[in-house]
Amino acid sequence: AQSVAQPEDQVNVAEGNPLTVKCTYSVSGNPYLFWYVQYPNRGLQFLLKYITGDNLVKGSYGFEAEFNKSQTSFHLKKPSALVSDSALYFCAVRVNRDDKIIFGKGTRLHILP
Amino acid sequence: DVKVTQSSRYLVKRTGEKVFLECVQDMDHENMFWYRQDPGLGLRLIYFSYDVKMKEKGDIPEGYSVSREKKERFSLILESASTNQTSMYLCASSLWDILTDTQYFGPGTRLTVL
Repeated sequence: AQSVAQPEDQVNVAEGNPLTVKCTYSVSGNPYLFWYVQYPNRGLQFLLKYITGDNLVKGSYGFEAEFNKSQTSFHLKKPSALVSDSALYFCAVRVNRDDKIIFGKGTRLHILP
Repeated sequence: DVKVTQSSRYLVKRTGEKVFLECVQDMDHENMFWYRQDPGLGLRLIYFSYDVKMKEKGDIPEGYSVSREKKERFSLILESASTNQTSMYLCASSLWDILTDTQYFGPGTRLTVL
C-alpha cells in the first residue's frame, strides 16, 4: 500500500536559521510528490510539486524540496526561516490513476523570533 | 486566481440531522474533492469527482454522500449526522490531470455535531 510519513509532529527553528521539514514515502511506482501549507484559520495552499525532471524543486515563498529516490524522501527546506513561515505543513504523494492522493499527518513548524 | 468557496466557515448541527456542505469553484476545473481534517490524522479523502455526475469513493466514504450536478459545484451530504463526524471539512479542485495537477483548497468548514 502507498503511504507517506512525516516523522516529526512539530519542528522548532530560530528565525534566520535554515529549516527542514521531513517527508518520506513508500510507493510501488514512480511517485508524484507535493507540499502544501496551512496558515492559521486558512485552507491549504500549494507550495511545490515534483512530477519529473530536476530533483530539486523550487516553490513559493522561498521554499524548495529535493526528491531523493534512493532514500524515498522529499524533504522541504528553506535557507533562512521567517516568523511568518510558522504553519502546518503537509506532504502528499500519488502514484497512478487508481491511487488517490495520500496526505501525511502534517508537521507544525514554529519559527521562534 | 483560482477561487474555491465553501458555504459556511462554521456549522453546528444536532445528531441525526441531514447536513449539506456546499463547495463552488470558479475556474472550470474538472476535478473536485472533499476531505476531512482531524488533528493527528492529517487529511483523509472522503469522495472525489472527475466529471459532472461522476463520483468516486475515497478512503472514508461511510456516512457521507456527494452530488455534482454542475461542473462548478460539489456538495457533501451527511445523511444523518453523528458526533464522530465533528471535524474540519475541506473542499478542493484541480484542473484536469487528477495525478499531477495542483489541488486548490477552500477555506474549510468546521462542523460540530452535538
